Amino acid sequence: DAGITQSPRHKVTETGTPVTLRCHQTENHRYMYWYRQDPGHGLRLIHYSYGVKDTDKGEVSDGYSVSRSKTEDFLLTLESATSSQTSVYFCAISLAGIGSYEQYFGPGTRLTVT
Amino acid sequence: AQTVTQSQPEMSVQEAETVTLSCTYDTSESDYYLFWYKQPPSRQMILVIRQEAYKQQNATENRFSVNFQKAAKSFSLKISDSQLGDAAMYFCAYRSPGGNNDMRFGAGTRLTVKP
Repeated sequence: DAGITQSPRHKVTETGTPVTLRCHQTENHRYMYWYRQDPGHGLRLIHYSYGVKDTDKGEVSDGYSVSRSKTEDFLLTLESATSSQTSVYFCAISLAGIGSYEQYFGPGTRLTVT
Repeated sequence: AQTVTQSQPEMSVQEAETVTLSCTYDTSESDYYLFWYKQPPSRQMILVIRQEAYKQQNATENRFSVNFQKAAKSFSLKISDSQLGDAAMYFCAYRSPGGNNDMRFGAGTRLTVKP
C-alpha cells in the first residue's frame, strides 16, 4: 500500500463545467502521475509531476491542467469538461531511485460528463 | 515512442490450469523495464511482476512467471494453477530508464477463470 488516495471516487458533471480531481499521498514521493483509462487503450498519461510546482505534459494532455503546490497533493483540473473526458482517472506515484521504478496506483476516480 | 501491444483482448482458463498472456513491445532502447499489472473488478491496479531488460533470467513471483525474449521484444505472463481470484484485466507496461519515469501500457487482456 503506497498510501495513495483519490477524491472524489465518483463524479457526474455536466458538459462545460470545471472539475478538479485530487490525488493525495502520504509518503513524500517525488514523482506523481495522472492517467486516464479507456476501453481499448489501457492507461494513457495525461500529466506528471517531478516535484513541487514542477509538472509536464503527457500523451493526452489537451483539455487538462495540473498543479502541485505541496509534495503530497497533485490536482487534475478539467477547465471545461466535455463528454470525451468521461473516463476512469488514476493517480500514481513512482518509487524513483528505488529498484525498477515501478508505479503504484490510487483507487481511481470514475468521471462521467453528461 | 515506445508502443506496447497485447493481441489477446480476452482469454479464458479452467481453474487449476495454466494460461499464458502475450505482450509485445516496440523500442530502440537496450535498457528498460517491463511490468504486468492486474486490475480486478475493484478497479485497483496491482503490480504482479517486473522484469529488468538487462537481466536474462525470467522473473517469477509464486504462480506468476514471465517469458522474456529480448530479441523478439516479447514479454508473456504465465499463470500456473489458475485460481478464481486471478480473473481480472491484465496490463503489460513498458518503462524507459531515466526521464520522467512514465509508463506505456498495452490495451489489456481480460482473463476469465472457469470453475
